[in-house]
Amino acid sequence: AQRVTQPEKLLSVFKGAPVELKCNYSYSGSPELFWYVQYSRQRLQLLLRHISRESIKGFTADLNKGETSFHLKKPFAQEEDSAMYYCALRLGGGATNKLIFGTGTLLAVQP
Amino acid sequence: IAGITQAPTSQILAAGRRMTLRCTQDMRHNAMYWYRQDLGLGLRLIHYSNTAGTTGKGEVPDGYSVSRANTDDFPLTLASAVPSQTSVYFCASSETSGGAGTQYFGPGTRLTVL
Repeated sequence: AQRVTQPEKLLSVFKGAPVELKCNYSYSGSPELFWYVQYSRQRLQLLLRHISRESIKGFTADLNKGETSFHLKKPFAQEEDSAMYYCALRLGGGATNKLIFGTGTLLAVQP
Repeated sequence: IAGITQAPTSQILAAGRRMTLRCTQDMRHNAMYWYRQDLGLGLRLIHYSNTAGTTGKGEVPDGYSVSRANTDDFPLTLASAVPSQTSVYFCASSETSGGAGTQYFGPGTRLTVL
């Protein structure tokens, strides 16, 4: 069955500390994974997608097919990174843009 | 209009009442989606539409219906609201297939059913 798992509901770190938000997936096809972010009082928006292999706002995420993971990392957290982060899996390859989301991790960066 | 708009922003509703949440996009995206966001459960897909005139059921469709008469609008109707439908509802749109797969979200509607 297809599934996205984010084991941490809340991750609290101090400013300047490294951050890793965990995401594991279960999918029989070729996975395409995304991270979406929701800042306070803002709408959900795309942060990054694995096929782009990009770094956005200092965040990176590498798809590890062996471990079926797509963890989001940042070496030095900033207070403005505090937000809800969702990992998402695209279903059906390129035939559809339906996504299934994990339960989300709230990142709180303390000053 | 820029992007996706949703109305109302929030609503308190008595159980048993009928309610329609509105969603409009101006990006000419073929696909649209409705999610509910609940603490600890994340975003769950209610219904979707790959193109005008077609709709499909998502993960949690019971108690909800949708229609897609044109490309821009995708209303979500609760025929007879129940307290378990208290949630934040998000509408999103994307290209139907291919491309980068990015979904664009509306600002959400906070619904409370008493």
